[in-house]
Amino acid sequence: AQSVTQLDSHVSVSEGTPVLLRCNYSSSYSPSLFWYVQHPNKGLQLLLKYTSAATLVKGINGFEAEFKKSETSFHLTKPSAHMSDAAEYFCVVSSSSGNTGKLIFGQGTTLQVKP
Amino acid sequence: GAGVSQSPSNKVTEKGKDVELRCDPISGHTALYWYRQSLGQGLEFLIYFQGNSAPDKSGLPSDRFSAERTGGSVSTLTIQRTQQEDSAVYLCASSRDWGSYEQYFGPGTRLTVT
Repeated sequence: AQSVTQLDSHVSVSEGTPVLLRCNYSSSYSPSLFWYVQHPNKGLQLLLKYTSAATLVKGINGFEAEFKKSETSFHLTKPSAHMSDAAEYFCVVSSSSGNTGKLIFGQGTTLQVKP
Repeated sequence: GAGVSQSPSNKVTEKGKDVELRCDPISGHTALYWYRQSLGQGLEFLIYFQGNSAPDKSGLPSDRFSAERTGGSVSTLTIQRTQQEDSAVYLCASSRDWGSYEQYFGPGTRLTVT
């Protein structure tokens, strides 16, 4: 069975500094991994996805994530935080059980960006 | 193009009443998913449709919950005899097909059971 663990429930950074949101996954085979972002009172938006192609995945708004199989990690990074990045971020794995594609969400990391 | 839409955006109901939540997926998307987002449970899968059939209903919390999809498009999630623990944001997502394709989410319906 697949599972996802987001290692930090809350991350606070200053504007212009790097962002690191950590995610570890558990999967019995090659997973599809995603990062979604949810701004306050807004819907979930896909940031980026990994589907067994390049291990370094670039997403929208300057975010990227690196798939590391040996560490079972899929951390999200951004070189320079912007105030508009403040939101809830979810690391997600797609369940391959029965090939339904249902998503299994981590508990979320709240990113705070201080001026 | 138009994204996933859900209605109503907010629903307040009394305990014991039935509610219906509607989802309009992106045109042409064959797979449709319902999730629930609540404070204590995070985001959890409820049910998945491929076309009009639901191969995976494993996430439905009880037999008070049911869902249908007609014409391979609109889906309705029905909760009968609502309880306070049903209060949550119900999210619908659609994707081009089942599997590892990215899912596009609607804005959700916030259900409050009083």
